[in-house]
Amino acid sequence: QVQLVQSGAEVKKPGSSVKVSCKTSGGTFRTYAISWVRQAPGQGPEWMGGIIPVFGSTNYAEKFQGRLTITADESTTTAYMELSSLRSEDTALYFCARGLGGTLVDWGQGTLVTVSS
Amino acid sequence: ETVLTQSPATLSLSPGERATLSCRASQSVSSYLAWFQQKPGQAPRLLIYDASNRATGIPARFSGSGSGTDFTLTISSVEPEDFAVYYCHQRSNGPYTFGQGTKLEIK
Repeated sequence: QVQLVQSGAEVKKPGSSVKVSCKTSGGTFRTYAISWVRQAPGQGPEWMGGIIPVFGSTNYAEKFQGRLTITADESTTTAYMELSSLRSEDTALYFCARGLGGTLVDWGQGTLVTVSS
Repeated sequence: ETVLTQSPATLSLSPGERATLSCRASQSVSSYLAWFQQKPGQAPRLLIYDASNRATGIPARFSGSGSGTDFTLTISSVEPEDFAVYYCHQRSNGPYTFGQGTKLEIK
């Protein structure tokens, strides 16, 4: 059974960074793409970027270029999403999701990131 | 970026009725279109991938069709647990994008 378990809620100051983890179990970590999707309050989902661990290749939405870093640690089957230069508009629920070729089959439970002074 | 436009924004139906949800892409996404269901406080749940393939465990009352720019999600007979928000999502053209959602509500 595939499970994705994310780290807990974060409260951050504007201008700081946040790093969210996504621990996976079940399936083959290396070959599945892991994507990060966020959802602001009352809004639809927004795809941020993804990684394929076996290649180490990443793909980011242009909107987040320069602020977003997605990494994967095969030894712990954990993916990470780090977003820097946080602003109030980054307040959202952040999800990791996994699937072949960018499909979003299995999802984490979500991590609430609140950016507030 | 590829904009996905969903219609209607809200669909009011009674249990047992047929639901038809539309998703139109601003440019071709081939068949790389998925449908998700989301309930309050939960992560989106994959229903349909690659336009017409039901995900594991999804009931047969859910079906998807279309290719290129026009797609449809059909629920043949709406069950009480189906009232939720539905999103389409494309993974053909970067950046991948979602529609703004259709809320299926009880009439």
